[in-house]
Amino acid sequence: EAGVTQFPSHSVIEKGQTVTLRCDPISGHDNLYWYRRVMGKEIKFLLHFVKESKQDESGMPNNRFLAERTGGTYSTLKVQPAELEDSGVYFCASSQLKLRGTDTQYFGPGTRLTVL
Amino acid sequence: DAKTTQPPSMDCAEGRAANLPCNHSTISGNEYVYWYRQIHSQGPQYIIHGLKNNETNEMASLIITEDRKSSTLILPHATLRDTAVYYCIVTPDDKIIFGKGTRLHILP
Repeated sequence: EAGVTQFPSHSVIEKGQTVTLRCDPISGHDNLYWYRRVMGKEIKFLLHFVKESKQDESGMPNNRFLAERTGGTYSTLKVQPAELEDSGVYFCASSQLKLRGTDTQYFGPGTRLTVL
Repeated sequence: DAKTTQPPSMDCAEGRAANLPCNHSTISGNEYVYWYRQIHSQGPQYIIHGLKNNETNEMASLIITEDRKSSTLILPHATLRDTAVYYCIVTPDDKIIFGKGTRLHILP
């Protein structure tokens, strides 16, 4: 079974440009999460989709970030316009829909974003 | 904030068991204890989780104290590839709150 995949693995852009990151979750996983780690800090939650709906977007830093999951399959995270402080590694994770108890999140390899 | 406390770093000799402690004294009755690790700059890798009973899988064992206020992750025969940052996580919601974790160094 394929794991969570992310594209691109690296992206280098200039301040003010737009970048779109993509995440393909494990097939059949309804929960999809975005996290990021900026230099020297812990990994922080950004948002959570259940199917195509945003369940929790409390971690999104500001309105320059837009996440979508049309059709409830893959997700995109767009940063527009990018700023220097957006540099970091963006991780996506997915899990099955939790009916009771707990669900385990499986992470992708991440996209390293560098804003110059 | 993370609900867990872990030592910032630990050393373990290759081939020996690595025992990583975690305190979670404010854990609630229905909260699970999860362990993940991050090797270099790869994505966090799930290791194991448990509620109250001890758990074992092909990667590790998880020992949870009877009062559930602490736990220990055991890697039975540590190898150099186990060098990573290990995160003990107790999260009431779906989102994972990562702390600083324990940086485990495996010594040859």
